[in-house]
Amino acid sequence: DAGVTQSPTHLIKTRGQHVTLRCSPISGHKSVSWYQQVLGQGPQFIFQYYEKEERGRGNFPDRFSARQFPNYSSELNVNALLLGDSALYLCASSKTGWGEKLFFGSGTQLSVL
Amino acid sequence: GNSVTQMEGPVTLSEEAFLTINCTYTATGYPSLFWYVQYPGEGLQLLLKATKADDKGSNKGFEATYRKETTSFHLEKGSVQVSDSAVYFCALIETQGGSEKLVFGKGTKLTVNP
Repeated sequence: DAGVTQSPTHLIKTRGQHVTLRCSPISGHKSVSWYQQVLGQGPQFIFQYYEKEERGRGNFPDRFSARQFPNYSSELNVNALLLGDSALYLCASSKTGWGEKLFFGSGTQLSVL
Repeated sequence: GNSVTQMEGPVTLSEEAFLTINCTYTATGYPSLFWYVQYPGEGLQLLLKATKADDKGSNKGFEATYRKETTSFHLEKGSVQVSDSAVYFCALIETQGGSEKLVFGKGTKLTVNP
């Protein structure tokens, strides 16, 4: 079975632009979470979705938004990019998002110039 | 809020050396604790976990014991290999409302030389 897949692998944007990152969970997994990993730091929670509903949100500005589709894939959108948004964005999936092992994708490396 | 503190890296060892990576946490209650590993160019993989006090998690020769008295979850391995070179993250589960999230430490980079 395929693991969690994320696209694109790498992305370069300039300040002020908008970006969309995509995630396909493992088949049968209905929960997707997004994490931001800045170089030299641990991942920080951005969002959790389950059955297309937002279940939780981390301490990120409103420039960050996400959604989950009927096939349980997910998009993370970031508007008005800042240099500080440069990071590895990780997607993780699980069956219900509660009390279970999370499976992480390899991430999207976003560079904002 | 809850937090995790890991020993600063990087850590460089020779093959077959003993490894300890310290991890302490601050939390309300007794959350489940985890060690994740990140190999170069890859996402995070769960290495081991412990769900309650005095539990010992183990996997691939790595071990960690949940110590509520010292609020610690130190990672140990008796004999490291070159293939263990990676970044190791200690984490806890935090629940809020209907959501569940991982709170990570900053990570410790391990390099094992032959």
